[in-house]
Amino acid sequence: RKEVEQDPGPFNVPEGATVAFNCTYSNSASQSFFWYRQDCRKEPKLLMSVYSSGNEDGRFTAQLNRASQYISLLIRDSKLSDSATYLCVVNKADKLIFGTGTRLQVFP
Amino acid sequence: NAGVTQTPKFQVLKTGQSMTLQCAQDMNHEYMSWYRQDPGMGLRLIHYSVGAGITDQGEVPNGYNVSRSTTEDFPLRLLSAAPSQTSVYFCASSYSASGNEQFFGPGTRLTVL
Repeated sequence: RKEVEQDPGPFNVPEGATVAFNCTYSNSASQSFFWYRQDCRKEPKLLMSVYSSGNEDGRFTAQLNRASQYISLLIRDSKLSDSATYLCVVNKADKLIFGTGTRLQVFP
Repeated sequence: NAGVTQTPKFQVLKTGQSMTLQCAQDMNHEYMSWYRQDPGMGLRLIHYSVGAGITDQGEVPNGYNVSRSTTEDFPLRLLSAAPSQTSVYFCASSYSASGNEQFFGPGTRLTVL
């Protein structure tokens, strides 16, 4: 079993749609959780950290469920510019473990 | 403030050749790391460093060496290139080991023939 698992997609959604991505992790001792965004042939960039109480940044909402070892990312009112791969990232001691990513394609 | 820089952007090697991928950051970050990214595999940690003079192995260290003589630089050496090392290599840095944002360089696309 992979340490961080994500549905690879692709998720094809129309502009304005709401889309949700899920991620599960295996290390119950993990303390830090993130969502990164990676555009095609570019480096990953931090989208948002994920906090225990859940957090929101504009159209993006992240949730953490420690009991189920599950992280989610909700994107509301999708834009064409949201098309990218979204990477779920979890720490394991002093290392970061990346999921393989979920690809999102937003169409007009 | 250039952030994280990597050179070269592209490289083609023959099997058995050696080379060094350069990585530098100007943000005074203590933590630096090297990842490789392959289709369907995600980013996998090769080596990392929590400060100058300290390095450790990640998930896939075989065939690679690193050193950290300064805070700014973290070169990755391929000792004897193999086709299995064909990949995109990313260097990253952050203030601390795992709780802070990692800043990535633009990547090096390596092909080993």
